Amino acid sequence: QVQLQESGPGLVKPSETLSLTCTVSGGSISTFYWSWIRQPPGKGLEWIGYIFHSGSANYNPSLKSRVTMSVDTSKNQFSLRLSSVTAADTAVYFCARGSGNASGSWGQGILVTVSS
Amino acid sequence: DIVMTQSPDSLAVSLGERATINCKSSQSLLDSSNSKNFLAWYQQKPGQPPKLLIYWASTRESGVPDRFSGSGSGTDFTLTISSLQAEDVAVYYCQQYYGSLFFGGGTKVEIK
Repeated sequence: QVQLQESGPGLVKPSETLSLTCTVSGGSISTFYWSWIRQPPGKGLEWIGYIFHSGSANYNPSLKSRVTMSVDTSKNQFSLRLSSVTAADTAVYFCARGSGNASGSWGQGILVTVSS
Repeated sequence: DIVMTQSPDSLAVSLGERATINCKSSQSLLDSSNSKNFLAWYQQKPGQPPKLLIYWASTRESGVPDRFSGSGSGTDFTLTISSLQAEDVAVYYCQQYYGSLFFGGGTKVEIK
């Protein structure tokens, strides 16, 4: 059974870059696609983007100018970078595995707060 | 972008009664090459990640109770809980995965 675990700083200063990593265990990152989704406190889910093991990515147009995703197949990890953050980027960030059968495997999520 | 609209925002249902949640897509989610709708339903409880309930609009994920069912095609979809149980109190989201992965706004289900 595949497991996903988000890691990274829980506090980021405004205007800086948020960086998170998702470590995949129990399965290879070289299949399926790998997503980042976030959820501001008390609000709904927002898709950030996804990436394939090849490095090909698809981002939410509303965030595209600030988002970069990457994948490290040797470490079975994929990463998210979100630049020029503001308080509006405060959220729980989830990583998830996707397939033709939608996203059946998720990490537990990590709360990232943007504050000085 | 494909916009997903869920209704209602919330609903209260008596234990054992039926709960129905609607989801409308701004574009068809039906892939003509395989006749499948790229529509999923998730359940989220407080402090937990979303749990996949339904994919291909009507296929239950392994282990999901059969009181959960999905229906619809094209742009209009429905999640039905046939007999609400206490453990079904949660927020439910639809998601299209036809190229992008946009979610609906969510529907909060409570006990009446």
